[in-house]
This record gives sequence, structure tokens and C-alpha cells, in this order.
Amino acid sequence: GQNIDQPTEMTATEGAIVQINCTYQTSGFNGLFWYQQHAGEAPTFLSYNVLDGLEEKGRFSSFLSRSKGYSYLLLKELQMKDSASYLCARHGGATNKLIFGTGTLLAVQP
Amino acid sequence: DAMVIQNPRYQVTQFGKPVTLSCSQTLNHNVMYWYQQKSSQAPKLLFHYYDKDFNNEADTPDNFQSRRPNTSFCFLDIRSPGLGDAAMYLCATSREGATGVDYNEQFFGPGTRLTVL
Repeated sequence: GQNIDQPTEMTATEGAIVQINCTYQTSGFNGLFWYQQHAGEAPTFLSYNVLDGLEEKGRFSSFLSRSKGYSYLLLKELQMKDSASYLCARHGGATNKLIFGTGTLLAVQP
Repeated sequence: DAMVIQNPRYQVTQFGKPVTLSCSQTLNHNVMYWYQQKSSQAPKLLFHYYDKDFNNEADTPDNFQSRRPNTSFCFLDIRSPGLGDAAMYLCATSREGATGVDYNEQFFGPGTRLTVL
């Protein structure tokens, strides 16, 4: 992805907690999205952060630090169905384009 | 249910044979996007329509064209598909500039997987 970095792969255990980090270029920043994408399917919206801090939504939470160009997605009480690719996407200024990272492939093991 | 629909879900074409992918939406969103996603890569924006205004990405090949005849429909035309154009093509929509909209979430269709033989 264009100036967006996230780990390529992660493995975690069912029932555990996992944190997926994302760093991005701060210039022209206008919001940070997290999407979930199962293999062969379209991305689905998980969260949006535009202000610093933590946004909690059920088992998923997302954090943003604008000064550091850093976000993370926190998944709690992992389930097997959470095995998917998690895409960090930066909202790109005046054109409102989404610029995606290459995604983090999460494998949840029993 | 309001949604983004893409047809077909799977498309096979021959090298050099023009192909058209379609997208429709019942969300009444004013912006529609086409992305190309290759295996294990990020979705790459090809172009988008803001209402009727077409916005092409600088690195989108001329081989790719788009049409938006009305609010609901948008088409991706690949004039002469090459083997490198085999990918998942994702259509997305968003509502921009509306009062009370806090953020411009993009809603994705299920995608069309294109195979080029």
C-alpha cells in the first residue's frame, strides 16, 4: 500500500486478544478506516477513527494517534470466523480517496 | 435491503477480447468507485465518479474505461484484457457532502473475479 504499513501475517489462538498495528503517512490525513476481508469476498467496514483515542465496538476496538501516524485494531475473544485479512485504509484528503494497506492476514487457531 | 450489486461474480474472457463488468447500487450514493485487487495485494483505486464527474487515477492504464449512465449504475470496460489484468474488481459507493454524515464509509460490492485466458 501507498505509505501505509501493517504486518503481513499474524497468528493467534481462539479466545485470545490480538492487536494489529498500522502506520501511515500523516500529510493530508482525513480519517483512518479498518476493513475486514475474507478470502474471495469484498471488504466490510469495521471502524473509523478521525480523532485521537479508542473507539470500541463490541469485540473490536480501534485506536488512533494522529501525531504518530499510528493506529491499531484490537480483536478480543477471538473466534475462528475472525480468520481474515484486515485492511488499514487512510482517507486521503480533499479527494476523499481511500488508500489501502496491503492487509494483515490473521489466522485464528484452535 | 440496500446494497451494492456486481455482475457477474465470475467472468472469463480471452486475451484481447473486450469485457464489461457492471455495478449497481440501491443506496442512492453519489460517489461510485472501481478498485482492482490482485491476490495478496491492497485494493487499488482505478477511478471514481463524483456524481457525473469522472476522476481517473494517474496510473490507471488507458485500457480501462468507465461509464456511469445514471446514479445507480456504473460500468468498467476493459478494452483489450491482458494476462496481467486478471484480478478481483471491486465496486464501492459512498455518500459525500451530505448533511449529518459523519464519515464517508465506502460500501463494497461482492466483487467480480476476472480470469483472462
